[in-house]
Amino acid sequence: DAGVTQSPTHLIKTRGQQVTLRCSPKSGHDTVSWYQQALGQGPQFIFQYYEEEERQRGNFPDRFSGHQFPNYSSELNVNALLLGDSALYLCASSQGQGKKYFGPGTRLTVT
Amino acid sequence: AQSVTQPDIHITVSEGASLELRCNYSYGATPYLFWYVQSPGQGLQLLLKYFSGDTLVQGIKGFEAEFKRSQSSFNLRKPSVHWSDAAEYFCAVSDSYGGSQGNLIFGKGTKLSVKP
Repeated sequence: DAGVTQSPTHLIKTRGQQVTLRCSPKSGHDTVSWYQQALGQGPQFIFQYYEEEERQRGNFPDRFSGHQFPNYSSELNVNALLLGDSALYLCASSQGQGKKYFGPGTRLTVT
Repeated sequence: AQSVTQPDIHITVSEGASLELRCNYSYGATPYLFWYVQSPGQGLQLLLKYFSGDTLVQGIKGFEAEFKRSQSSFNLRKPSVHWSDAAEYFCAVSDSYGGSQGNLIFGKGTKLSVKP
């Protein structure tokens, strides 16, 4: 079992660009949550997807959007990137609201 | 609103010494509480969780935590620290959605360094 995987590991973008991050959940998991972890901070909840729909959303602007595919994998999209979007983006998968398993994250740097 | 406070940003202990990491929470109802550990390049790993019942909970890697409702605290302890315990530790509370483990509200973390 590969656990939760995320791609890419790192990426660098310029202000104003758009970015897509990807997450493959642990086998058997149907729920994916995304978190943003800024440097020196704890992770902050962005949103959660279940059955291809956004089920809950944290306090993030509409520039942050997502998608879940029929195979339960998920994408996080961020438009009009700001310097403040630089962070580690974590994906967590679970079976419903069971125990969450976190991936290693994608480190996004916005210059 | 729910919140979690970890008062110590960085703690250094000697290998073999005991450890206590502090966590205070603000929550209107019975909280679901968690401790996670994050090593460089690794995802968050769950150490232990408290939902109800016995207020002293045992976790992996020899860690334990005690829930004290009167103090709104959920401190993490380990009797003897190993060099491999050096990492960042996050306390979290679950929001009310979805029952036992809704989405997580994290503290800012405590970085643990271990001296040889």
